[in-house]
Amino acid sequence: GAGVSQTPSNKVTEKGKYVELRCDPISGHTALYWYRQSLGQGPEFLIYFQGTGAADDSGLPNDRFFAVRPEGSVSTLKIQRTERGDSAVYLCASSPQGLAGVNEQYFGPGTRLTVT
Amino acid sequence: GNSVTQMEGPVTLSEEAFLTINCTYTATGYPSLFWYVQYPGEGLQLLLKATKADDKGSNKGFEATYRKETTSFHLEKGSVQVSDSAVYFCALIDSNYQLIWGAGTKLIIKP
Repeated sequence: GAGVSQTPSNKVTEKGKYVELRCDPISGHTALYWYRQSLGQGPEFLIYFQGTGAADDSGLPNDRFFAVRPEGSVSTLKIQRTERGDSAVYLCASSPQGLAGVNEQYFGPGTRLTVT
Repeated sequence: GNSVTQMEGPVTLSEEAFLTINCTYTATGYPSLFWYVQYPGEGLQLLLKATKADDKGSNKGFEATYRKETTSFHLEKGSVQVSDSAVYFCALIDSNYQLIWGAGTKLIIKP
């Protein structure tokens, strides 16, 4: 079946602009995660959705970052007034459940964001 | 807090060599442990996992054993192939369902 998809695959934007990154999780997966990965580092947790609600947004670095999942499937990560330090690969993952345990997270290919 | 430490790369080996990538963790309780792999140009994929002490995860010839006494989860493979060239990430899942990641180890296999 289809995996997690993310669009666009690459995004170049100017400092100060607004960007939206989209994630389509695997059908039926209730949990959805956003991570940010900088070069040479492991993914950094940003936010986790269980259904439509953000169960944990403690990883969002500041109020310029926001994410929604209005119908419990597709999610959009929104970044306002982008800064050069926001440049990274933004990863989305989904899993059948969001409870603690061994639920595997399935990752999308990521969106590479470059802020010039 | 919880953390994962893995050996720095790149690790360069010849084909058919034995592989070990070290991973140690710090965590409260007994987290589940994972190895993820990221092939060039692809997304992260779960390679193997272990949920409790002394469990051995295995997949595609790779193995890792959950060692509570040494808080380790080292990745091993007896004979590597060029196609194993990738970045390998060790991770744990904490009581808040968050994946805590190591920095990744780049593996380069030369024919």
